[in-house]
Amino acid sequence: DSGVTQTPKHLITATGQRVTLRCSPRSGDLSVYWYQQSLDQGLQFLIQYYNGEERAKGNILERFSAQQFPDLHSELNLSSLELGDSALYFCASSPKSGVGYTFGSGTRLTVV
Amino acid sequence: GNSVTQMEGPVTLSEEAFLTINCTYTATGYPSLFWYVQYPGEGLQLLLKATKADDKGSNKGFEATYRKETTSFHLEKGSVQVSDSAVYFCALSDPQGGSEKLVFGKGMKLTVNP
Repeated sequence: DSGVTQTPKHLITATGQRVTLRCSPRSGDLSVYWYQQSLDQGLQFLIQYYNGEERAKGNILERFSAQQFPDLHSELNLSSLELGDSALYFCASSPKSGVGYTFGSGTRLTVV
Repeated sequence: GNSVTQMEGPVTLSEEAFLTINCTYTATGYPSLFWYVQYPGEGLQLLLKATKADDKGSNKGFEATYRKETTSFHLEKGSVQVSDSAVYFCALSDPQGGSEKLVFGKGMKLTVNP
């Protein structure tokens, strides 16, 4: 157990639907990162939050949004889902710069 | 922009063979460099890291040295085991603007046979 908890582990949904992925960071970690892992794009950075505020944005689609709550857990919202959104979505957390992340075990999203 | 290029494989080795996975990077600043490993069905785990030139990261028999002159961070292990079968990712973080976002290579799948 890495200490980063992601739920659900698996999600199957239809095109056009909306889903919410949840992440609880390791105790004490203020930064949360979201990544998408797909076969064709590899691991792509989506977005980072630090202590409730957006810190950096990567290749995140406008249909996707995220937030970090006062208890530091984070949610990634994916809407108007398309087949191409099927992927593994990872959350990671870190306490400070330069030490590397701790990743969760991911949520596998399948859009049918 | 920043980028990481690594051997993609897949690679199959026999147990006790020597392993090298090449990784080179392009960065505008002074990045930290990482190797992550992903075992089947699991998330990524940090294997080792180096934060400045000539630093050597090591863990579980794996080593990598941060070479600024060749912009490389090659991963090596002298004798691989079946349990090392996994996908290995090279990554960098260049914390300009206060973000620690990671840029990953495409990953290399390693299979070690007994």
